[in-house]
Amino acid sequence: QVQLVQSGAEVKKPGSSVKVSCKASGGTFSSYAISWVRQAPGQGLEWMGGIIPIFGTANYAQKFQGRVTITADESTSTAYMELSSLRSEDTAVYYCAHLAGRFLEWLGWFDPWGQGTLVTVSS
Amino acid sequence: AIRITQSPSSLSASTGDRVTITCRASQGISSYLAWYQQKPGKAPKLLIYAASTLQSGVPSRFSGSGSGTDFTLTISCLQSEDFATYYCQQYYSYPITFGQGTRLEIK
Repeated sequence: QVQLVQSGAEVKKPGSSVKVSCKASGGTFSSYAISWVRQAPGQGLEWMGGIIPIFGTANYAQKFQGRVTITADESTSTAYMELSSLRSEDTAVYYCAHLAGRFLEWLGWFDPWGQGTLVTVSS
Repeated sequence: AIRITQSPSSLSASTGDRVTITCRASQGISSYLAWYQQKPGKAPKLLIYAASTLQSGVPSRFSGSGSGTDFTLTISCLQSEDFATYYCQQYYSYPITFGQGTRLEIK
């Protein structure tokens, strides 16, 4: 059973970038579809994009195109999400999650999830 | 993108009650719907996928139904650990979208 462990909380200045990691264990990392979902304080869930390491290419939600970069390192079974040009509205908890179901179409359900990483953007 | 509207946005109930949460999609999504439970400070937890398939390890008091545009999550006999926020999510059409959540509180 796959388990996902994320890096710790970050505090960033507006205009800077943040890179969050998600280390997988308990399965075949290369064939996973790892997605990133964010949740602003007191708000709902928003899919940002994802990657399937064996294919190497990432897929991004239109809202985040140009500002987010998702990568994966198969040697360490770790996925990364980097968000640039940070603004206060990017303050949120960022989750990685395994996408099951029709993952080749970037459609499916999320299970399991990482524990979440709080990113605070403040001057 | 497909819009998902959850109702109610909040709900007060007592232990032992039967509660129902509804999700309505802006267009038909067949049975491509999942339900999650989220407790404060924790990641969401998958309860149900394919509208009615219970994820392994989830108590049988949780059930899901519906297809097309209207879906329900039912908790048959509320336990204290069930007070949380519930989200639905469609995966019929790219991009994946979520409902806005239903907060289930103790009456």
